[in-house]
Amino acid sequence: GQQVMQIPQYQHVQEGEDFTTYCNSSTTLSNIQWYKQRPGGHPVFLIQLVKSGEVKKQKRLTFQFGEAKKNSSLHITATQTTDVGTYFCAGPGAGGTSYGKLTFGQGTILTVHP
Amino acid sequence: DAGITQSPRHKVTETGTPVTLRCHQTENHRYMYWYRQDPGHGLRLIHYSYGVKDTDKGEVSDGYSVSRSKTEDFLLTLESATSSQTSVYFCAISEGGGPHYEQYFGPGTRLTVT
Repeated sequence: GQQVMQIPQYQHVQEGEDFTTYCNSSTTLSNIQWYKQRPGGHPVFLIQLVKSGEVKKQKRLTFQFGEAKKNSSLHITATQTTDVGTYFCAGPGAGGTSYGKLTFGQGTILTVHP
Repeated sequence: DAGITQSPRHKVTETGTPVTLRCHQTENHRYMYWYRQDPGHGLRLIHYSYGVKDTDKGEVSDGYSVSRSKTEDFLLTLESATSSQTSVYFCAISEGGGPHYEQYFGPGTRLTVT
């Protein structure tokens, strides 16, 4: 089935440093979504990318979709302690794109040291 | 936050006992999903529903069954709980069944099987 691989699994940064997590798929994705899960919380939708080469920004967060639509990245500039959590990418689920199924990457756990 | 509740929020049960987790939504969304979250595996789809009485298996459905008799409720049953089913279970809902619809997650149920 379709897999979405996400790296790194863990990232520890000092407050103010930048952070990037990467998502890779062996197949072309129609779109990719990103979610954030705070410690002890539930995943919350951040953004969706649809177009080849698309770049979207949310304040200090920059999301990119690769030209081949097989990879994506999330970059956080000057991390803050409020950025801690697990970041997931998600592509369309296996077995076709019906029913809104998603295949999630393994997630990147970000810790920020003040 | 979307109107999604899960019950119970925490449960400890013994191996071999049946367990039912409930997901309740007030959004009247057609699509509902059950995931389990384990370290290093991200979120994995167990079962999903695309309407009342319409359900199907996800990628890790063995040992689980679901039912949806009303739009607002989606039940996940572990027929005979095993220690490998110790996990955090999330319910999610989606307004549409295409790949571009975001999912909204409930608060989760932490299940421990001893």
